[in-house]
Amino acid sequence: EVQLLESGGGLVQPGGSLRLSCAASGFTFSNYAMSWVRQAPGKGLEWVSGISRSDGSTSYADSVKGRFTISRDNFKNTLYMQMNSLSAEDTAVYYCAKWRGDQSIFDYWGQGTLVTVSS
Amino acid sequence: DIQMTQSPSSLSASVGDRVTITCRASQSISIYLNWYQQKPGKAPNLLIYDASSLQGEVPSRFSGSGSGTDFTLTISSLQPEDFATYYCQQSYSTPTFGQGTKVEIK
Repeated sequence: EVQLLESGGGLVQPGGSLRLSCAASGFTFSNYAMSWVRQAPGKGLEWVSGISRSDGSTSYADSVKGRFTISRDNFKNTLYMQMNSLSAEDTAVYYCAKWRGDQSIFDYWGQGTLVTVSS
Repeated sequence: DIQMTQSPSSLSASVGDRVTITCRASQSISIYLNWYQQKPGKAPNLLIYDASSLQGEVPSRFSGSGSGTDFTLTISSLQPEDFATYYCQQSYSTPTFGQGTKVEIK
């Protein structure tokens, strides 16, 4: 059974940093690209970032480019998101999501971790 | 970025109704359109990918159609567990989502 378990969310002050993790199991993690998708309270879904399965190619939404860094450890079966210079606009539930094959079709999602940026 | 526009933003329907949600892309995306269902407090769940392919064990009352810029999600006979918010998402380029359609009980 595919499982994705996010952790690392919490309350952080504006300008602060946070590192999210997503532990994967039930599939060969190194064979799939992964993404982070977020959802602000009461709002819709926003794709944040993606990383390829092996060569580490990354992409980012303009809203987080230069502040967030996605990475993965294929030995630990874990996806990461380092978030710096956080602002209130980054407050959201952050989901990790597995790609279906080579397309950004998100066939499995974690339960999400809440990041709240507030003083 | 490709903009995705869903309509309506919300709708009220009864159990047994046929429901149709539309999604329009700002440019052609071929068939690279996916649909998700999200219930309150839960992660989204993939229903349909590549415009019309049903994911896994998704019930056959869900169907998708379209290509190019115009797509539809149809629920042939709405069931109580189908009351949720539905999102389209394009996978032609950098992923973008529609704003969502909330399906409520009439």
